[in-house]
Amino acid sequence: QQQVRQSPQSLTVWEGETAILNCSYEDSTFNYFPWYQQFPGEGPALLISIRSVSDKKEDGRFTIFFNKREKKLSLHITDSQPGDSATYFCAASGEKITFGAGTKLTIKP
Amino acid sequence: EAAVTQSPRNKVAVTGGKVTLSCNQTNNHNNMYWYRQDTGHGLRLIHYSYGAGSTEKGDIPDGYKASRPSQENFSLILELATPSQTSVYFCASGDVNNQAPLFGEGTRLSVL
Repeated sequence: QQQVRQSPQSLTVWEGETAILNCSYEDSTFNYFPWYQQFPGEGPALLISIRSVSDKKEDGRFTIFFNKREKKLSLHITDSQPGDSATYFCAASGEKITFGAGTKLTIKP
Repeated sequence: EAAVTQSPRNKVAVTGGKVTLSCNQTNNHNNMYWYRQDTGHGLRLIHYSYGAGSTEKGDIPDGYKASRPSQENFSLILELATPSQTSVYFCASGDVNNQAPLFGEGTRLSVL
């Protein structure tokens, strides 16, 4: 049973565009949602996170939008740069943390 | 600086052999985790620990054992390695609230 789902599996956008990565979850007890960024050959690194009491979290070009009622969230990357090309994991945390399968993002210059 | 260090970074093992993956953290975190990463599956939890002497089964524990001899060290043990265990393994550490664990650089394991 996959409790955290991400879509799309892969996404390509042009430099300067906004990339939108989606995530949904099933367990209503999840209360903390970190997003990780992973470059090839490296471990995942925390990018940005949000708690369920908030509906938006912004950090520079990265913004999380959170809809608790629909159990959905999305990561928006504005003014995408080639250096943003990576795999992004959505995770959900309650008693323990569960990861989605990831979205591979490619930014074309 | 907070760090999670894994060794070895790469390992080639033979089917039926014993493999031990080691992890050390300098973050004074109580919780430590072992994940494997495979294309299409993301990060799947194998074993985790709440502190020295404790180990808990994660979502895919079959074929794996874990050992937490101290706060800083957490090992993953494959007693009888199989080709299906070829993967990239990540260790992570986190605080008691299970929030956003910090990951190591990974160990690439090939079982031939």
